[in-house]
Amino acid sequence: GQNIDQPTEMTATEGAIVQINCTYQTSGFNGLFWYQQHAGEAPTFLSYNVLDGLEEKGRFSSFLSRSKGYSYLLLKELQMKDSASYLCAVIPRDYKYIFGTGTRLKVLA
Amino acid sequence: GAVVSQHPSWVICKSGTSVKIECRSLDFQATTMFWYRQFPKQSLMLMATSNEGSKATYEQGVEKDKFLINHASLTLSTLTVTSAHPEDSSFYICSARRDWAQHFGDGTRLSIL
Repeated sequence: GQNIDQPTEMTATEGAIVQINCTYQTSGFNGLFWYQQHAGEAPTFLSYNVLDGLEEKGRFSSFLSRSKGYSYLLLKELQMKDSASYLCAVIPRDYKYIFGTGTRLKVLA
Repeated sequence: GAVVSQHPSWVICKSGTSVKIECRSLDFQATTMFWYRQFPKQSLMLMATSNEGSKATYEQGVEKDKFLINHASLTLSTLTVTSAHPEDSSFYICSARRDWAQHFGDGTRLSIL
């Protein structure tokens, strides 16, 4: 079967760094996305990884290891507005995204 | 960037009503669009894949007669929830595929009374 695992919830303090992990097992691999979703809104794109390594974009970085079926999203200098769900999505062979259940991040003052 | 428009953003209606949701790709042609449903505190669940000019492909457990999908042009797909009931209340999100990426609409919150 195909599955993606992420922690359900995480809590961190404003200004801190948090790492959200994602492990996956899929039929084929054409890339991995991270999305941010605020309550009641549609997901918004954060990052895309298709090759191994780290992709950095401002306060957000995403890492991929295809051999380990593993990715993480790193959020630096956390802000209150970063409180949201973070979805890991993998593109398998048939190009139908497979979404993880999402990680609800709560940023505390 | 790619823009996908979804309409309406919010629907409240009585049980038994049919509701149509539109998904438009505004600045690109999308031969493939996807429809998702999301319940509170859960992730997106793929309902069906909409292919322009052909029948939609439904995921296991999704009723074809309940959720009618029409992809009549390269920029428009519609989802009709027929004879909606309270258990159909959910957040419905469409996406349009361009190359390897899916671009999401803003979602439709459907509340059936």
